[in-house]
Amino acid sequence: DAGITQSPRHKVTETGTPVTLRCHQTENHRYMYWYRQDPGHGLRLIHYSYGVKDTDKGEVSDGYSVSRSKTEDFLLTLESATSSQTSVYFCAARGDVSNQPQHFGDGTRLSIL
Amino acid sequence: QQQVKQSPQSLIVQKGGISIINCAYENTAFDYFPWYQQFPGKGPALLIAIRPDVSEKKEGRFTISFNKSAKQFSLHIMDSQPGDSATYFCAASNTGGFKTIFGAGTRLFVKA
Repeated sequence: DAGITQSPRHKVTETGTPVTLRCHQTENHRYMYWYRQDPGHGLRLIHYSYGVKDTDKGEVSDGYSVSRSKTEDFLLTLESATSSQTSVYFCAARGDVSNQPQHFGDGTRLSIL
Repeated sequence: QQQVKQSPQSLIVQKGGISIINCAYENTAFDYFPWYQQFPGKGPALLIAIRPDVSEKKEGRFTISFNKSAKQFSLHIMDSQPGDSATYFCAASNTGGFKTIFGAGTRLFVKA
């Protein structure tokens, strides 16, 4: 949707390993977001970016870091993955105008064994 | 104050029936209320949205009802179809804000 691509789409890894998820957008949106989706919790914001190199924490940011070196790319890194980080991760983007919808990618299913 | 409370958690409706999902918020600064629809294996996508200057917005079989004084809004799906089976999220945001606050989601199943 709206040119948002997430990679990989699926990943299985072991506890303690680093993991990086990538979000790429083609719409030149200023704002980008990373969410995790878990049953009963809906979408919870991990980190967001309001411009190149401008990022801030969301409600569940512990154990995660992000980077945005280009407008089109927003990376989410789990420095040392834990089983509690097993989830489906969604990237979203939004343009400059307030109160516009966010456009989501199709998610990355991450399993940490 | 930043929460959006959504109910029910799951809903089963007969084909042709009306599906109703409710949301409530506390932050009176919220002024944009979108609903998202999510199919399995896909990301959420905007379904319909409302601003608090109107009490109702209709798009095809989907209607948002908004009660500003009660700080509640709801999604009504008329003539529900099996293809409407999905997870629905209500959300809220405010002008100038970076974030959108999402409800916990409602899994709708429409029986044929």
